[in-house]
Amino acid sequence: EPEVTQTPSHQVTQMGQEVILRCVPISNHLYFYWYRQILGQKVEFLVSFYNNEISEKSEIFDDQFSVERPDGSNFTLKIRSTKLEDSAMYFCASSELAGVYEQYFGPGTRLTVT
Amino acid sequence: GQNIDQPTEMTATEGAIVQINCTYQTSGFNGLFWYQQHAGEAPTFLSYNVLDGLEEKGRFSSFLSRSKGYSYLLLKELQMKDSASYLCAVRDGGTYKYIFGTGTRLKVLA
Repeated sequence: EPEVTQTPSHQVTQMGQEVILRCVPISNHLYFYWYRQILGQKVEFLVSFYNNEISEKSEIFDDQFSVERPDGSNFTLKIRSTKLEDSAMYFCASSELAGVYEQYFGPGTRLTVT
Repeated sequence: GQNIDQPTEMTATEGAIVQINCTYQTSGFNGLFWYQQHAGEAPTFLSYNVLDGLEEKGRFSSFLSRSKGYSYLLLKELQMKDSASYLCAVRDGGTYKYIFGTGTRLKVLA
């Protein structure tokens, strides 16, 4: 069964450093998403991406964040200068189409900022 | 503002039926989703409602009333493996933005 994959599973970085989180969405899916979940808190939408551009972004997704689809398979989230409060689980998701179609989530990358 | 409310925690017995409620106030509405999330894992899709009424899928059913801003997830014949968090999420109308509730942690006891 096709699945969304994410690397690395755990990333530890120092405050102020740049990190890139990688995702490989399901191959025939067209919509891609990033979410984060701070430990013990709710899942928070960051950004949706379609046709090589951002469709929607939340208030959390400020200038420190960027997304890219550098090739036909990868979808990346870059945090330019990490803060302590960026420590969270980051989930990538993809869906075949938008709206009515379910989103398939990857296993997540646990980001720890020290 | 955007708000989704769910009970924080529920407990039920193996073999029983449990109903998890979700109320939402969002600026727009274009569908309500239920996800299951086991501790330390990613959410997995359970159901989707966009029209009023009941959607049934095996042991799981989900109900929606758009006029009341209300949904519930019904789990029948509970099994120990159903112990997990259940997340209610709304797609904001006309956007690709999804708003999640804090989730309901369900404990199934033997």
